[in-house]
Amino acid sequence: DTEVTQTPKHLVMGMTNKKSLKCEQHMGHRAMYWYKQKAKKPPELMFVYSYEKLSINESVPSRFSPECPNSSLLNLHLHALQPEDSALYLCASSHQVGLAGSNEQFFGPGTRLTVL
Amino acid sequence: AQSVAQPEDQVNVAEGNPLTVKCTYSVSGNPYLFWYVQYPNRGLQFLLKYITGDNLVKGSYGFEAEFNKSQTSFHLKKPSALVSDSALYFCAVRDMNRDDKIIFGKGTRLHILP
Repeated sequence: DTEVTQTPKHLVMGMTNKKSLKCEQHMGHRAMYWYKQKAKKPPELMFVYSYEKLSINESVPSRFSPECPNSSLLNLHLHALQPEDSALYLCASSHQVGLAGSNEQFFGPGTRLTVL
Repeated sequence: AQSVAQPEDQVNVAEGNPLTVKCTYSVSGNPYLFWYVQYPNRGLQFLLKYITGDNLVKGSYGFEAEFNKSQTSFHLKKPSALVSDSALYFCAVRDMNRDDKIIFGKGTRLHILP
């Protein structure tokens, strides 16, 4: 299985809602990533988990809360979001063997989030 | 600061013609360089990477890229374009200070004309 899956595909939520995005991979990758992508822009890194530990938080507001329950799963918990948080949220994973940072990332199809 | 630059917002090429998507980089030390492609409403797909070794790197879907250290470039090429190559292409470089992070260029939209 060489796929990263993300659910849901689309999500519409109000500013007072709590929701979660889910990401799963079964490639044995030990690094997992959350990105935010606005239309026609490059992905912006939000969080990196390495061996199930948070290794990078790119100063993301606390209304976004990541969680890595095990090596195959990555969640992003959302609470009290703002309309400007509407974007495509991408999950990715990669090996962590060999030269550090030399491994390509495998991306999921993304969750299209709309905050009303 | 480390960065990659993609000087063209859009590149138009006739089907069957060779294509080039440009990328230049600015890093200290030896760069780790990547190309990704994004089709509409999809995640990114890895095309190829340069870590070390041969300056000509071959990747998926017939794409290749040439690493040029003197010009600090890593241009993406394909000998004969297909309409299905139309997509958004991102060049990226590993952040030399943070192993798990890559820095993306702004992207180049490739439009193949039938």
